[in-house]
Amino acid sequence: NAGVTQTPKFQVLKTGQSMTLQCAQDMNHEYMSWYRQDPGMGLRLIHYSVGAGITDQGEVPNGYNVSRSTTEDFPLRLLSAAPSQTSVYFCASSYSSSGGQFFGPGTRLTVL
Amino acid sequence: QQQVKQSPQSLIVQKGGISIINCAYENTAFDYFPWYQQFPGKGPALLIAIRPDVSEKKEGRFTISFNKSAKQFSLHIMDSQPGDSATYFCAASRGGRNQGGKLIFGQGTELSVKP
Repeated sequence: NAGVTQTPKFQVLKTGQSMTLQCAQDMNHEYMSWYRQDPGMGLRLIHYSVGAGITDQGEVPNGYNVSRSTTEDFPLRLLSAAPSQTSVYFCASSYSSSGGQFFGPGTRLTVL
Repeated sequence: QQQVKQSPQSLIVQKGGISIINCAYENTAFDYFPWYQQFPGKGPALLIAIRPDVSEKKEGRFTISFNKSAKQFSLHIMDSQPGDSATYFCAASRGGRNQGGKLIFGQGTELSVKP
């Protein structure tokens, strides 16, 4: 099993550009989440999904969209990138609603 | 509103010593409390977790102590080793299908174990 994979590993955008961060898992996990990590702030939940076709907002959803058309994939879309979205983004998945989450390796995004 | 508060922000421990990291939470509906370990350039990895029906859980050199009445839990790393140098995050979540995947993290503790 590859676990949770994320692409790209690094990305530089200009303000106003849009892009999609890809996340995939091969563990047949029902639950998937996106977090952003900023220095001194821990990890903050952006969006999460409790199954294919079901998504909801986390703590910091503004400027991001998600969809979950399959169990395996959970892409995160930046609609119009802003410098405040410079961060490291992690995707995670879990089998149960209150079990441990498996994290991907992260995408480091810089918005100029 | 920071629902999970973690301290200290950084910690330096001598090899063989005990590392202690503390967390406090506000929401009494939380029922799952994991600790994650993160090395530079990597994603967080689940280290150990506890549920509120037990007061302590031990796995090897890592122990979680849980105080439900005080709404606090802590991670103890016994016989700390240089390889334990990493950032540690506590977290909390609620049960229930519509809460799945919603971890609330503390701010993190950067642990450095000196040889």
